[in-house]
Amino acid sequence: SQELEQSPQSLIVQEGKNLTINCTSSKTLYGLYWYKQKYGEGLIFLMMLQKGGEEKSHEKITAKLDEKKQQSSLHITASQPSHAGIYLCGADFNDYKLSFGAGTTVTVRA
Amino acid sequence: DADVTQTPRNRITKTGKRIMLECSQTKGHDRMYWYRQDPGLGLRLIYYSFDVKDINKGEISDGYSVSRQAQAKFSLSLESAIPNQTALYFCATSDRRTGWEKLFFGSGTQLSVL
Repeated sequence: SQELEQSPQSLIVQEGKNLTINCTSSKTLYGLYWYKQKYGEGLIFLMMLQKGGEEKSHEKITAKLDEKKQQSSLHITASQPSHAGIYLCGADFNDYKLSFGAGTTVTVRA
Repeated sequence: DADVTQTPRNRITKTGKRIMLECSQTKGHDRMYWYRQDPGLGLRLIYYSFDVKDINKGEISDGYSVSRQAQAKFSLSLESAIPNQTALYFCATSDRRTGWEKLFFGSGTQLSVL
């Protein structure tokens, strides 16, 4: 979706280091969803954010929603090989479907 | 068993051939979607359906058609396949009753058009 910009496009991180992925919208967000995809496989739901300032965590992954900036960030602490994959953000623009960013490919090096 | 099942998982076809991708779900969800994924472009919506009688075009519907045969089944057809339809295709479902757009995805169909 051109309305949703993800950055960076790809990143390589040393195992044990932290990483952050950003998702910026040019339209008002009514919900922001994070998914993870292993190469060639389906998407697995990670987290959903609906309110400005909301922050959710699951294991070593934390996602935040900045309503003013219309931006969400996904932060992984102490990355592990299991964190490798493609991370996609999906936006709810109040039109009953999700529009997706282009994705961020994460590589974790031992 | 997977909640959202796509068949086939892989398909190679020739330009001009008609092909159908199938999706079935056991989640009892009313909404179903077809997306395609291309490297660097993320997921783009082809068609979506909110119930058996409601079919809507997405952002890239040209060259595709769909059929919602039952609440649990949603198929995608390429009437005359062309090489730029080579992509990874995903079916997804969601539940209107939750009030959210959380999608549940199938494992995908890798389609190659030669």
